[in-house]
Amino acid sequence: QSVLTQPPSVSGAPGQRVTISCTGSSSNIGAGYHVHWYQQVPGAPPKLLIYGNTNRPSGVPDRFSGSKSGTSASLAITGLQAEDEAEYYCQSYDNSLSGSPNWVFGGGTKLTVL
Amino acid sequence: EEQLVESGGGLVQPGGSLRLSCSASGFTFSSSAVHWVRQAPGKGLKYVSAINNNGVNTHYAESVKGRFTISRDNSKNTVWLQMSSLRDEDTAMYYCVKEVYYYDNSGLSGQWYFDLWGRGTPVTVSS
Repeated sequence: QSVLTQPPSVSGAPGQRVTISCTGSSSNIGAGYHVHWYQQVPGAPPKLLIYGNTNRPSGVPDRFSGSKSGTSASLAITGLQAEDEAEYYCQSYDNSLSGSPNWVFGGGTKLTVL
Repeated sequence: EEQLVESGGGLVQPGGSLRLSCSASGFTFSSSAVHWVRQAPGKGLKYVSAINNNGVNTHYAESVKGRFTISRDNSKNTVWLQMSSLRDEDTAMYYCVKEVYYYDNSGLSGQWYFDLWGRGTPVTVSS
């Protein structure tokens, strides 16, 4: 099981809004470490979607937004499009292992556009 | 254009060894830490190993500690992952990833994310 917990799947119709949650703990998200999001379409490597909780890299549509509160974070996608169908991963840092840096990912959420 | 290209993957028997390479271009390689992240078939992403920009500091996930060794040569813009004593559970696509490190608004807490991913190289451990 992953250190960060995501729902296995979400779905929505074109044009709708969906959110994907990422739940951590006091040793990662709750400790103040930022959450970052990646999009992976089948057969391709992950691509950075959101960094620093809320920031979009150049080229990422503003339909994608991120937020963080307490020990959780969320990715919201508005105006859902067929091309958004992909796997989404959250990522952060965890300091529970003494002396060993540990970059952690969520288990991934499969977004289906109906 | 910034690019990472992995190579060296393949089929290896349990207990065997393999060396993965990651060749970088399009950015100042010597300024960037690099990670290896793997993805088992149909599974999620897992951090494997990391090396800082000058190669002095290296880190490993507990699952590979003592079996994998990461290294780099900035004159060749290349990072390697030497894998030995391979197990079935090491079967995965291995991605080379460029790290971005920054401080949050308080200036007290370091933060990391991955802004560039290679296409990956597949490793299959099977008899």
